[in-house]
Amino acid sequence: QLQLQESGPGLVKPSETLSLTCSVSGASMSTSKYYWAWIRQPPGKGLEWIGSAYYGGNTYYNPSLKSRGTISLDTSDNHFSLKLTSVTAADSAVYYCATIPEAASYFDNWGQGTVVTVSS
Amino acid sequence: QSVLTQPPSASGTPGQRVTISCSGSSSNIGNNFVNWYQQFPGTAPKLLMYFINQRPSGVPDRFSGSRSGTSASLSISGLQPEDEAIYFCAAWDDTLDGVAFGGGTRLTVL
Repeated sequence: QLQLQESGPGLVKPSETLSLTCSVSGASMSTSKYYWAWIRQPPGKGLEWIGSAYYGGNTYYNPSLKSRGTISLDTSDNHFSLKLTSVTAADSAVYYCATIPEAASYFDNWGQGTVVTVSS
Repeated sequence: QSVLTQPPSASGTPGQRVTISCSGSSSNIGNNFVNWYQQFPGTAPKLLMYFINQRPSGVPDRFSGSRSGTSASLSISGLQPEDEAIYFCAAWDDTLDGVAFGGGTRLTVL
């Protein structure tokens, strides 16, 4: 069964770059027909889709990020990453990685989430 | 402000039927499939319903989904205490060119 695990620093300074990794186990990213995605949830608030990437194909980002986000796939090491530049306190949230089956729009597997706080 | 609109709260007593609404537009619910997620405090969301009314393995048939025009609904029949959670609707949005979420509905079982 496919499992996801987020990792990364829990504290990032304002204006710096947030970098997170999602390790994938139970499936090969290069052969699985999934989009690999990031979602976040600010404290006490709802869910926000950040972006999704497909192996060898398209990448989509939420326009609200104003081009600050980049999702990259490392199929040799079976993980994918999120980089978010020029962070502010508004980027403080629980960050989840998730999968979207090909030709669908729902998130069927989720990581447990990792808390990121932006503060000096 | 969320693209999809949900009531912030809902409640019911055990055994009752509860319906949670999700309102959108022709660029999302009206033209794409709606999905629902269930989230308990401190845990990751879990897929509850996809393609409007399809339940993943393990989701009880007490949960059902529907769509009418640009609105969708999640119904829970035979409400149980363990159903107390936050429920989020979501759909692909053609204008956003991405996934839009509702703000979430906190369900309380009285």
